[in-house]
Amino acid sequence: TQLLEQSPQFLSIQEGENLTVYCNSSSVFSSLQWYRQEPGEGPVLLVTVVTGGEVKKLKRLTFQFGDARKDSSLHITAAQPGDTGLYLCAGSSISSGSARQLTFGSGTQLTVLP
Amino acid sequence: ETGVTQSPTHLIKTRGQQVTLRCSSQSGHNTVSWYQQALGQGPQFIFQYYREEENGRGNFPPRFSGLQFPNYSSELNVNALELDDSALYLCASSSPGAGNEKLFFGSGTQLSVL
Repeated sequence: TQLLEQSPQFLSIQEGENLTVYCNSSSVFSSLQWYRQEPGEGPVLLVTVVTGGEVKKLKRLTFQFGDARKDSSLHITAAQPGDTGLYLCAGSSISSGSARQLTFGSGTQLTVLP
Repeated sequence: ETGVTQSPTHLIKTRGQQVTLRCSSQSGHNTVSWYQQALGQGPQFIFQYYREEENGRGNFPPRFSGLQFPNYSSELNVNALELDDSALYLCASSSPGAGNEKLFFGSGTQLSVL
């Protein structure tokens, strides 16, 4: 069974601070995605990383895929209250049959205080 | 383009009952995946439908079943409900063949089993 562990589980910071969220697995994934989920909504895709060592930037968010494609990190610079939400990492693999399925981590609940 | 819509938004059932959840996929998407998200956890893959056939399944018992219709909409059926089935059920649509699939999630159906 493939598992993704996210840390920390909860994070509460002040506006303007920087933070890093980690996603680790013992399994190799063909790609890894990061999602953000707000209460009462489904997850919304932020980024997909595919190549080991890949770094992608989305405004103040920086995503990195580990060289061995087993781990990833999300770094937010100068966090704002609008960044508050549940951040989920998800590894992509082929399920039984031919479906591409996502294995999600348990999430990091980020709260940015004004 | 229309997004993924799920109905109902909330549902309360009692143990042993049966439930049907519905999902309309995003325009142009022919693949639907269902995920279960328990409180405080990341979503877990239930199964995926492509061209009206189940083409992948996660670690869920047979009392979880589904359908996909010619217009690509989908249903998730759960028989003999158990208390642990209480969760947010998410539907996601995608269009395979474009490399790493981008999933578009609906807002989910919150199921409470009493």
